Parts: sequence; C-alpha cells; structure tokens
Amino acid sequence: SQQGEEDPQALSIQEGENATMNCSYKTSINNLQWYRQNSGRGLVHLILIRSNEREKHSGRLRVTLDTSKKSSSLLITASRAADTASYFCATVLDSNYQLIWGAGTKLIIKP
Amino acid sequence: DAGVIQSPRHEVTEMGQEVTLRCKPISGHNSLFWYRQTMMRGLELLIYFNNNVPIDDSGMPEDRFSAKMPNASFSTLKIQPSEPRDSAVYFCASSRQVGQPQHFGDGTRLSIL
Repeated sequence: SQQGEEDPQALSIQEGENATMNCSYKTSINNLQWYRQNSGRGLVHLILIRSNEREKHSGRLRVTLDTSKKSSSLLITASRAADTASYFCATVLDSNYQLIWGAGTKLIIKP
Repeated sequence: DAGVIQSPRHEVTEMGQEVTLRCKPISGHNSLFWYRQTMMRGLELLIYFNNNVPIDDSGMPEDRFSAKMPNASFSTLKIQPSEPRDSAVYFCASSRQVGQPQHFGDGTRLSIL
C-alpha cells in the first residue's frame, strides 16, 4: 500500500484563494518532500521538511508536519493560474532513506 | 547547471522492438532513479543506483526490462521485447545522495503499438 497518500485527489479553486493539500503516511520517516508536476513535465522539488521540524515556509508555500499523526499539509496562499499542476508528497524512510511517493493531488486554479 | 537530460523525448515503436532510453544525471549527483508514470498506476520506481551500483531493482516489471549505469554521467533503461502495456512516460531523476531532493528530467513518452 502507499506510504504517502494525498488528500484530496483533486482540488479546484478560484485564483486568489488558498489551496491546502494533505499527505498521510504509515512508518517512521527521516524527512518528507513536496513536489509539483506541470502537465507534460518532470516533477520539481518544492520543499523538504525534516522529521524534527514542524513547519517550513518558502514564498507562498507553507508546509507543516505532525509526526504524531503521521501527516503533513501543503498550503499555497494567494493561488495563481500558474499553480495549476499535480502535487506529490514523498516520504523518506528512516530505515533506508528510500523515497516513497503518494498518488498526488491535481490542483486546478480557475482564473 | 544543466538539469537531468533524457533522450529521446518521444518514442513510438511497434511491439517486439527493442527500446533504449537514455539519461544524463546532474554532475556530482551520486544517486540515479528510473521511474514509470501512467494514469492507472501513478509514479512507480523501477530501479535506483547509488555510485553507479544498482541498489534496488524490485520495481522492474519483468526480465524484459534492464538498466545499466556504466559511469557516473550516463544510464540506460532497455526494454526488449517491448509490449503495448509498456506505454508510459519514463522519468530519470538524480539526487546528491539517497533521501535528498530529486531532480527530474522531462521524461520519455513511450508508445508501443
């Protein structure tokens, strides 16, 4: 089964609104990473949060990590049409540092 | 710095043919990953190398698939013979070390007729 599972599978919002995506996982992790994939392109790394961190910011992105609940969230504030993409979380296992990928959230920003 | 470079970008071939996908990782990156992405199965790790050595090939679907990394700047993924169900986008990614952020190429869109 998937280590990382994103929720929701798809999200459609108006430009300017905030978008929140969640990721849950099952086993102990070293870090958790979020990636974006635009249509027809490879994945692009957005942000990494370590297991001993609770929150991290990068521009309009805010990531939180709750290791007690084994979950993370990605918040995109003031969304833009260019944020339309699929977003993936990947958990890095503590045991062997392997990345385990979720199925992704498809985000559509309506102009 | 150039990113991960994959070739070809698109490949259309008939079933039974041999297909070779190529990847040049980012210089200085020690880990290289091959992925397959389809609508049905999402992103699947096929194999990864660390310092040119295959570490985990448990994701390789079957013996028709093989991957090599003869040196730090080049890797190939070969399918022989190809089948229509191999149609997918194949990505190569590299990272400085296992567990660190991965940099992806733009993929090879493979269609087997």
